[in-house]
Amino acid sequence: GAVVSQHPSRVICKSGTSVKIECRSLDFQATTMFWYRQFPKKSLMLMATSNEGSKATYEQGVEKDKFLINHASLTLSTLTVTSAHPEDSSFYICSAREEGTSGNNEQFFGPGTRLTVL
Amino acid sequence: AQRVTQPEKLLSVFKGAPVELKCNYSYSGSPELFWYVQYSRQRLQLLLRHISRESIKGFTADLNKGETSFHLKKPFAQEEDSAMYYCALIKFRNSGNTPLVFGKGTRLSVIA
Repeated sequence: GAVVSQHPSRVICKSGTSVKIECRSLDFQATTMFWYRQFPKKSLMLMATSNEGSKATYEQGVEKDKFLINHASLTLSTLTVTSAHPEDSSFYICSAREEGTSGNNEQFFGPGTRLTVL
Repeated sequence: AQRVTQPEKLLSVFKGAPVELKCNYSYSGSPELFWYVQYSRQRLQLLLRHISRESIKGFTADLNKGETSFHLKKPFAQEEDSAMYYCALIKFRNSGNTPLVFGKGTRLSVIA
């Protein structure tokens, strides 16, 4: 199956700094990628939809200035957590759907990035 | 609003016993439903989808529109089935984007 990678897998930063997380589709192209956040012992919550070449679509309650998304190519989307605070500590997961698979809505998930803000 | 409910946080069964992981959904229209599985220290991966009507690793799930359910079943549990299971549905949008709406997940523990 298609592979999605995330980098870094784990990051620890100080409060007030910005952190960039990369999501790559390794062997397929993805016009659309999704960013999810997973709280401990809870479900995945959709944060935003990343669209190649256009602005991301954010879910209600997600601050777009706080979580900057850039989808500059068909294989890369980045999520930047700006001025991170301890409450931003979480597990961030991206997913991508393979282009040209009309009618197949399977998404492929990255391994996730554990962010800890001190 | 679209919603997926998995009422059980944890389900423990003995090896060889039948398994049923419950999933109920709320969706206006025709839903497209999935089961995803996450084994220990691994990423989330698709287990099965209702439109395929397939059986993967002995698991099956039937969409019951009357009961708005999509329960996951397996007649004989194996130890390697121990994992976190998420039920999810597609949130269709006019834009064509199709994010997933997840349930809270059920941890299945198969006891030897």
